[in-house]
This record gives sequence, structure tokens and C-alpha cells, in this order.
Amino acid sequence: GAGVSQSPRYKVAKRGQDVALRCDPISGHVSLFWYQQALGQGPEFLTYFQNEAQLDKSGLPSDRFFAERPEGSVSTLKIQRTQQEDSAVYLCASSPSHPRLTNEKLFFGSGTQLSVL
Amino acid sequence: ELKVEQNPLFLSMQEGKNYTIYCNYSTTSDRLYWYRQDPGKSLESLFVLLSNGAVKQEGRLMASLDTKARLSTLHITAAVHDLSATYFCAVDRVGTASKLTFGTGTRLQVTL
Repeated sequence: GAGVSQSPRYKVAKRGQDVALRCDPISGHVSLFWYQQALGQGPEFLTYFQNEAQLDKSGLPSDRFFAERPEGSVSTLKIQRTQQEDSAVYLCASSPSHPRLTNEKLFFGSGTQLSVL
Repeated sequence: ELKVEQNPLFLSMQEGKNYTIYCNYSTTSDRLYWYRQDPGKSLESLFVLLSNGAVKQEGRLMASLDTKARLSTLHITAAVHDLSATYFCAVDRVGTASKLTFGTGTRLQVTL
């Protein structure tokens, strides 16, 4: 597709339920990022992949959060035993290579809005 | 811990007026970004500022960076309604490979 695609667009989960959020980056993009954006706040970094390698997961808030990108393209962010504080918009971003090394822009998806009841 | 602060948090301005959004950050960084976000939409990259004194302009928006003061500004000239959105600055911390730290955002409303 033309841009970064995320699904579902909206997800409502009951507390304790597991959820999986999908990100389809722009075809050929090497770098992939996940950010969490709480209501009225700026995005906060969760994790970063270069191809299939997860190079930085320091922003994942707990061991309930897990991300993978097994073939270096599509990525899934999984949240186990969801809690109310997990309610947020989860944004995925990609770039052709490493943005810091190449001054390239990040391309963001529209996000998945997760509501935990 | 790197902190990024924006002000104002909310800005209502009339069409045709000028205004400036400020972005302060707490630790050394050599790279600053400005993004725009419309409600329910993606973040759109506006500017990447790479060095002290950098200035970039696109249309009615101009961004500048003072790394000594740890300050960036986003200046809006002769605002139009289409500029209504939330604007974020973000800083890429020296020594980290990938993380952006975002400000809280400035919600801009341009009234007719």
C-alpha cells in the first residue's frame, strides 16, 4: 500500500483479555517503530526493529507487552492480560533505513485505538 | 531523563495572525523534529532540524533550532484555517539509536 497500515483501527477489550495489534509498514522499509499515545499526550517510544531484529525494547512498559516482526515486514504488538492503563492509541512508524543515520523521515500509521474496559 | 516541553498547550488564533510555538528540551540533542497531527489521523513529518541555527520553512510555517538554549520554535505566519491541528516537537537523544521523545503537543485552532 501507499502508507503504513494498522489494524484494527479500534479495539475494545475487557480487562484481562489478550490483544494483538498489526502493523503493515511501507513495502521495503527496514526500520519499524511502535509508539504509545495516551489521550492528550505526545507519543511515547515502545520498541524498534531493524528488519526482523528487535534492537530496542526499552520502552515496553511491562512484560505483558511483546512485539515481533518475524519476516522483517509485518509487525505485531501483543498485550497480554490487558489493564485499563493500557488504553491508548498505538502508533506504528517505518522508514526506509535508519532515520538517525540517513536523516530520513518516519512515516506513521493512523494507529489502533485500544480501549480496555 | 530527557524531557520535552511545549508551550502553549492550546492556541486559538484568528486567520491572518502570526504566532510562535516553543519547544524546550532538557538534555543535549542534535536533532529536532516537528510533526503535525490531525484528529484521528497519522503524524505527518514537517521538519527535521539537524544543527544549531538551522532554519527551515514550508509555506506559512518556519522552524528554527538553538541547541545552546535547547530551544526550537515553530513560527506561523498569516495563519489560515487549514493549519488547525496539533503540533508536536520531538527530540532524538544523542547516543540513542532510535528513540524519539515527544512533547505534549500544541493544539492550534485557527478561527475565521
